[in-house]
Amino acid sequence: DAKTTQPNSMESNEEEPVHLPCNHSTISGTDYIHWYRQLPSQGPEYVIHGLTSNVNNRMASLAIAEDRKSSTLILHRATLRDAAVYYCILRTTGNQFYFGTGTSLTVIP
Amino acid sequence: DAGITQSPRHKVTETGTPVTLRCHQTENHRYMYWYRQDPGHGLRLIHYSYGVKDTDKGEVSDGYSVSRSKTEDFLLTLESATSSQTSVYFCATGGDRGGNQPQHFGDGTRLSIL
Repeated sequence: DAKTTQPNSMESNEEEPVHLPCNHSTISGTDYIHWYRQLPSQGPEYVIHGLTSNVNNRMASLAIAEDRKSSTLILHRATLRDAAVYYCILRTTGNQFYFGTGTSLTVIP
Repeated sequence: DAGITQSPRHKVTETGTPVTLRCHQTENHRYMYWYRQDPGHGLRLIHYSYGVKDTDKGEVSDGYSVSRSKTEDFLLTLESATSSQTSVYFCATGGDRGGNQPQHFGDGTRLSIL
């Protein structure tokens, strides 16, 4: 199974950057790294994904280690609306996503 | 959003009764998925479909069956519901097999089996 390891919870002050880490030491060469977040009573929402190179979009940045065994989701300026559970997932060519329990992010005003 | 509608949004039923949950998409995505979410477990894949009438099992498929007769609809059936199937169920869609496309999720169905 392609599994990831994330801290259970993190806190950040509003308007400061947040770095959410993820370890995926069993990653294979064709596995994509995906990040999703889930707000209370909602379905998961796609944030960003990448394979080898760092990626940026309007929501966040994804920094992937050179050996691909870890990655970091970067929220450049945390807002109260970013408080959610963040999931780091390996998307395998076996067409399955394996969600762990994610990191619960608290944003402090 | 990807135009995913789950129905019903909430359901309470009794042990031993059949239950069918529906997922409808308007994006013409090839892949569709059913997950369940329980405290302490995150989301776990039940079944998925890679085309009309093409389905496969996920991590926790026992006690569940699925059908996909049209691209836009993916049904999840509990033939004889048990209390252990009380959960929040999420449908998702995705465009490809290789991992380079995101999944889009519905808002979930909260199912309680008494």
